Amino acid sequence: DTEVTQTPKHLVMGMTNKKSLKCEQHMGHRAMYWYKQKAKKPPELMFVYSYEKLSINESVPSRFSPECPNSSLLNLHLHALQPEDSALYLCASSQDGGAGANVLTFGAGSRLTVL
Amino acid sequence: GENVEQHPSTLSVQEGDSAVIKCTYSDSASNYFPWYKQELGKGPQLIIDIRSNVGEKKDQRIAVTLNKTAKHFSLHITETQPEDSAVYFCAARGSSASKIIFGSGTRLSIRP
Repeated sequence: DTEVTQTPKHLVMGMTNKKSLKCEQHMGHRAMYWYKQKAKKPPELMFVYSYEKLSINESVPSRFSPECPNSSLLNLHLHALQPEDSALYLCASSQDGGAGANVLTFGAGSRLTVL
Repeated sequence: GENVEQHPSTLSVQEGDSAVIKCTYSDSASNYFPWYKQELGKGPQLIIDIRSNVGEKKDQRIAVTLNKTAKHFSLHITETQPEDSAVYFCAARGSSASKIIFGSGTRLSIRP
């Protein structure tokens, strides 16, 4: 299995809703990432988990709350979002060391629309 | 922190011709430079990468060159085909081993 699976593919939510994005990989990778991508822009790093511990938070607002329940799963909990948070949210994974470190495998993304 | 600049933002080439995309980086300590291809509705996919101890790497029609002194790296696609149409991102690993910083992207179109 060489895939990163993200669900849902599309999500529409109001500013008062609470929702979650989910990401799963079974490649044995121990680093997992959330990126945010606005239209016609590059992916921007949000969070990095290494061995299920948060290692990087790029000063992301607290309305985004990541969670790594185990080495295969990564969640992004969403609460009180703003319309400007509408974007494609990409999950990625990589080996956490050796030659494969930083070789990112991306999922197809979850397209979020905040009304 | 690391900053990656990418040019051009759009590129249109005739099918069969070559395409070149160029990037510069700011952090002289960066040592890993991947290139990603993103097709519509998909996540970025790694197509080739190069590490700082190598000056050039080839994989079939794709090649990447790295000039550490000038802090430049480039993607070369030869014999372009319609399926090469996509957005291409260069990237560099910044001061943190876990941070991959992306360039602004190049939208490549292959004219039939």
